[in-house]
Amino acid sequence: DADVTQTPRNRITKTGKRIMLECSQTKGHDRMYWYRQDPGLGLRLIYYSFDVKDINKGEISDGYSVSRQAQAKFSLSLESAIPNQTALYFCATSDGTGERQPQHFGDGTRLSIL
Amino acid sequence: AQSVTQLDSQVPVFEEAPVELRCNYSSSVSVYLFWYVQYPNQGLQLLLKYLSGSTLVKGINGFEAEFNKSQTSFHLRKPSVHISDTAEYFCAVSVPGNFNKFYFGSGTKLNVKP
Repeated sequence: DADVTQTPRNRITKTGKRIMLECSQTKGHDRMYWYRQDPGLGLRLIYYSFDVKDINKGEISDGYSVSRQAQAKFSLSLESAIPNQTALYFCATSDGTGERQPQHFGDGTRLSIL
Repeated sequence: AQSVTQLDSQVPVFEEAPVELRCNYSSSVSVYLFWYVQYPNQGLQLLLKYLSGSTLVKGINGFEAEFNKSQTSFHLRKPSVHISDTAEYFCAVSVPGNFNKFYFGSGTKLNVKP
């Protein structure tokens, strides 16, 4: 089983709909992250969380919200989806021992907004 | 502010030829450096990392990278590529004291031809 699991893997929806992407991990890591990937832009950070009570905005948080339901679960919501939020979304985790630790990624959710 | 530049968006190469994927970064402080690989329909997997010490770092699948502080570069190399190395490669930096936030380059697609 994957250490970082994202659901759904693919989603097609319409403009204005509310969407939730879910991420769960079995690595026991404290830190969790949400990124979006767009062609030619690499990965950009949306939100990150260091524990259940700590949520922080990344560089492109507008139009998104998150919830850290437990140490192992971190969900990303689009309250009212718009077409330019069409992208590949990744969840990642890292050990809380510092910046020397790599991040571990899920397989991504491909989101299309029509 | 930190930034990561991968100048080559695509690199075509024939099987068994050597390859170098370039990464340059800008930062006013010391950084930790990472290379990730993304195979189609998968998340990012860690190839290698530079934290300190020897500037030549060896990773998985025969890849290596060399940290050059004066040129602020961390180029990825492989002496002989295989068809299975076809993937997208991302360079990333993490800054000490910056909450394990990663800054990613825009990615380089390596296309290995038979």
